[in-house]
Amino acid sequence: AQSVAQPEDQVNVAEGNPLTVKCTYSVSGNPYLFWYVQYPNRGLQFLLKYITGDNLVKGSYGFEAEFNKSQTSFHLKKPSALVSDSALYFCAVRDDGGGFKTIFGAGTRLFVKA
Amino acid sequence: GAGVSQSPSNKVTEKGKDVELRCDPISGHTALYWYRQSLGQGLEFLIYFQGNSAPDKSGLPSDRFSAERTGGSVSTLTIQRTQQEDSAVYLCASSLGGAAIQETQYFGPGTRLLVL
Repeated sequence: AQSVAQPEDQVNVAEGNPLTVKCTYSVSGNPYLFWYVQYPNRGLQFLLKYITGDNLVKGSYGFEAEFNKSQTSFHLKKPSALVSDSALYFCAVRDDGGGFKTIFGAGTRLFVKA
Repeated sequence: GAGVSQSPSNKVTEKGKDVELRCDPISGHTALYWYRQSLGQGLEFLIYFQGNSAPDKSGLPSDRFSAERTGGSVSTLTIQRTQQEDSAVYLCASSLGGAAIQETQYFGPGTRLLVL
């Protein structure tokens, strides 16, 4: 069975500083990995995904994530945080042999301080 | 419509009553998912439908929960004999359902359920 861990409930960062939101996963087969963001009073939005190929994936709003198979991680990063990046971030995983079932992490709340 | 729609947006019910939550996916999307998001918690997978295949119901928390998808489009999540612990936001998502590279889920605004 697949699982996802987001070890930090909350991440605080100053505007202009780099940010990292951590995610580790466990699957039986090969992972399909996703990041979604939930802004206050708005629905969940897709940020980026890793299916295959280049381990560094670039997504919306300047975010990127690096797939690391040996560490089973898919950390979300951004070189320079904005106050508007403050939101709830979810990592999600699908097992390539597990149909369309997608497991989401508990979420990490990002606070970017001006 | 342009996106996934869900109705009602809010539902207040009394313990023991049945509720039905509706999801209209994006036209042409063959995969449809239901999740539950409790206050301060992550998304809990409930069920997904893919085309004409049997749904994956492995996330449904009890036999009080059921879902159907009629005509490969609209889906209804039914909770029977609601309990206070069922209070949560119920999210629906849809995706193209084809090759994995296409697998981005598009979420609806959710139905906020409160069981008194």
